[in-house]
Order: sequence, then C-alpha cells, then structure tokens
Amino acid sequence: AQSVTQLDSHVSVSEGTPVLLRCNYSSSYSPSLFWYVQHPNKGLQLLLKYTSAATLVKGINGFEAEFKKSETSFHLTKPSAHMSDAAEYFCVVSELMNRDDKIIFGKGTRLHILP
Amino acid sequence: KAGVTQTPRYLIKTRGQQVTLSCSPISGHRSVSWYQQTPGQGLQFLFEYFSETQRNKGNFPGRFSGRQFSNSRSEMNVSTLELGDSALYLCASSSGRTGYGYTFGSGTRLTVV
Repeated sequence: AQSVTQLDSHVSVSEGTPVLLRCNYSSSYSPSLFWYVQHPNKGLQLLLKYTSAATLVKGINGFEAEFKKSETSFHLTKPSAHMSDAAEYFCVVSELMNRDDKIIFGKGTRLHILP
Repeated sequence: KAGVTQTPRYLIKTRGQQVTLSCSPISGHRSVSWYQQTPGQGLQFLFEYFSETQRNKGNFPGRFSGRQFSNSRSEMNVSTLELGDSALYLCASSSGRTGYGYTFGSGTRLTVV
C-alpha cells in the first residue's frame, strides 16, 4: 500500500542557507514521486517529479530532489533559501494500480525563511 | 497554454444551502480531480473524473458530488452545507497517464456561515 510521510511539519531556515525538506514513502510498485509547493491562498504548483529516469531530479526555482530507493526517501533540497521560498511543500507518491492512477499526498511541510 | 481555471475564487454560503463549483482543465487533459483542503485535515481527495466517468472516490458523504462534461470541464456540488465544509477546494487536471503529474487551479475558497 502507498503512503507518504513528511517528517517535519515546520522547517525554519535563514535566508541564504540550505533547505532540506524530508519525505519518505512506501509503495508496492515503482512509484512516481512529486513535490508541489503552495503559496498562501494559491493552488499547488509542481516543483519537480521523478518517474524512474535519473535519480537526481532538478526542478524549478533551484530546487532538486534525490530518489533513494534503498532508503525509500525523496528529500527536497535547495542550496540557498530565498524569502520567496516561504510556502507549504507537499510530497506526493503516485502509482498505477489496476489501471488507475492512485496518488497520495503527504501532510505538508511549512517552510519559514528567517531574514 | 491556459492553466486550470476554477470559478468562483471566493464564495460565502449559509448552512443548509447548496453550492456548485466549476473547474476547466488544461486543454487536452481528460482527468479532473477534486480536493478539499482545511488546516486541520490537510489535503483530502474527493473524487476524480476521467472522460465523464467517476474513476475514483474519496471518503466523503454523499452530499459531495460531481460530474464531468464532454469538454472535460467539471463541476462539484455540495448540498446541505455544514460549517465544517468551509475549506479551499482545489481542482487538478492531468492527461490521465501515470507519472505526468497534476496541474492545480488556484482553488475556490468556500466559507459557510
């Protein structure tokens, strides 16, 4: 069965320092994995996705994530945080089951950027 | 390429009323999913429509219903509104093929008073 665990509900970093948002997943098959970002009162925007190609995935706004099958992790990183990165981030797992695409959202991690 | 359009953006209704929300997916996308987002429960899946058929359904009461038209536009209806239905309702469209991700609209903020 699928599941997604975002290990931190809140993360605070100073502007200019690295960002690490952690995500662990459980999947019976080869999953697709995504990170979405949601700014206040906005919809979700796709940051990046992993679909069984390169394990290091680069996304928009300088974010990247590494798929580690042995650790069942898909952590999101950015070398240097910017004030505009303050938002909520969702890790999502998707797999094809019985010809239907099942997706599960993590509970989200709110990223705070300190000046 | 136009994004996912949800209307209206904001809505205030009173308890007991019913409401209809609309979602126009990206052109060519045949799958539309609906989510309810609240501070306490996070993102919860309501249902998904693909080619006018409900393909998946979450654990919501029958007061929540939806439909999809031949042009892939989708509507969601909530009858007999309750205070707890106050939420951001998000619509997401996709091609329906695994691994391509979803494109979300900006949502409809429903407040029930």
